[in-house]
Amino acid sequence: AQTVTQSQPEMSVQEAETVTLSCTYDTSESNYYLFWYKQPPSRQMILVIRQEAYKQQNATENRFSVNFQKAAKSFSLKISDSQLGDTAMYFCAFSNTNAGKSTFGDGTTLTVKP
Amino acid sequence: DAGVIQSPRHEVTEMGQEVTLRCKPISGHDYLFWYRQTMMRGLELLIYFNNNVPIDDSGMPEDRFSAKMPNASFSTLKIQPSEPRDSAVYFCASSLGVVRGAYTQYFGPGTRLTVL
Repeated sequence: AQTVTQSQPEMSVQEAETVTLSCTYDTSESNYYLFWYKQPPSRQMILVIRQEAYKQQNATENRFSVNFQKAAKSFSLKISDSQLGDTAMYFCAFSNTNAGKSTFGDGTTLTVKP
Repeated sequence: DAGVIQSPRHEVTEMGQEVTLRCKPISGHDYLFWYRQTMMRGLELLIYFNNNVPIDDSGMPEDRFSAKMPNASFSTLKIQPSEPRDSAVYFCASSLGVVRGAYTQYFGPGTRLTVL
């Protein structure tokens, strides 16, 4: 079974600075998808960024980028120029290509301080 | 697209009452998921459907919980009888799924359930 581990329950960062959230996973699959979701205090979960395991290039979405290390089974999220609106819980998730469901980590609560 | 729609947004009920939560997935999505989120247990997958058929209900906590998906545009999660420990936020999510190679889940706004 796949597992997803987020070792940082809480983090904080000053506005405009950069922060990195860690995620590791365990799988025997060779092809799969990884995701970071954001859940702001308003509760609705939204996708931040996704990465396909067969792609070497790290995904980037504006201020959000990932550092995907397939051999190390690591998938960290970097937020540049942090904004107050980035305050949220962030979930790392894994989905293999044979199952419709995803496995989620326990989440990291990020607070951006003014 | 309106996104995933859940109703009600808030539900307060008394112990022993039946509770029904509703979800309308995004049109064209093949997969539907029900999650429960609490401070103590985090985000838990309760059950998920593929093309209206339940695939895995191993996360359903006990027989008091049941879920149905009578058609592609509607699903319910029912708790009967409800207990205070069922108090949580319940999320519904949908995705295009395996066949079309898309696994991103789109979440609804959630239903905050309080059982007194």
